[in-house]
Amino acid sequence: GENVEQHPSTLSVQEGDSAVIKCTYSDSASNYFPWYKQELGKRPQLIIDIRSNVGEKKDQRIAVTLNKTAKHFSLHITETQPEDSAVYFCAASNSGYSTLTFGKGTMLLVSP
Amino acid sequence: SQTIHQWPATLVQPVGSPLSLECTVEGTSNPNLYWYRQAAGRGLQLLFYSVGIGQISSEVPQNLSASRPQDRQFILSSKKLLLSDSGFYLCAGRREDNEQFFGPGTRLTVL
Repeated sequence: GENVEQHPSTLSVQEGDSAVIKCTYSDSASNYFPWYKQELGKRPQLIIDIRSNVGEKKDQRIAVTLNKTAKHFSLHITETQPEDSAVYFCAASNSGYSTLTFGKGTMLLVSP
Repeated sequence: SQTIHQWPATLVQPVGSPLSLECTVEGTSNPNLYWYRQAAGRGLQLLFYSVGIGQISSEVPQNLSASRPQDRQFILSSKKLLLSDSGFYLCAGRREDNEQFFGPGTRLTVL
């Protein structure tokens, strides 16, 4: 089955800096890669996703890149703000399967 | 739009008591539905998923069970809770484009 590794487990940055979270996956058939943000005590919320026919996708301060050859994908947050502080999860799936495989999460702390 | 409803929001139960958590989905028909558990400060552990009425797949052996009595209803149960069953229980649905969307969750404390 699929295995998703996520690094780092915690990331502390100063407000205005950039943050990068990296994930690797094992199943070359995976073709859908979402990123979720979970604030303390709340449900995970999808913030951006990418499919294997695209190498990069951007939405304002958030971008995701995908390297299918190396089987890794990354979340980039620019101009971080304190409200970006949360746990971020990456995931991977093959559209032929019913389940997502999640990484273990990254706690991002943005200090003012 | 598609929405997941869960209740209760919080629950405190004694060890050995039964459990029933209900999840309903609106805005879609015949959805894939999922139960996840999240221990404090930990990741998302998939417990069960269902692709249709009466169809349950178990990902982790444990003292929990799940049922799908209706298309838009997914129930998580236990006959006797353990301390280790404490956690944040999330129900999720899956859209046709593969995106999973989550309900608000139930925080269960077993004492």
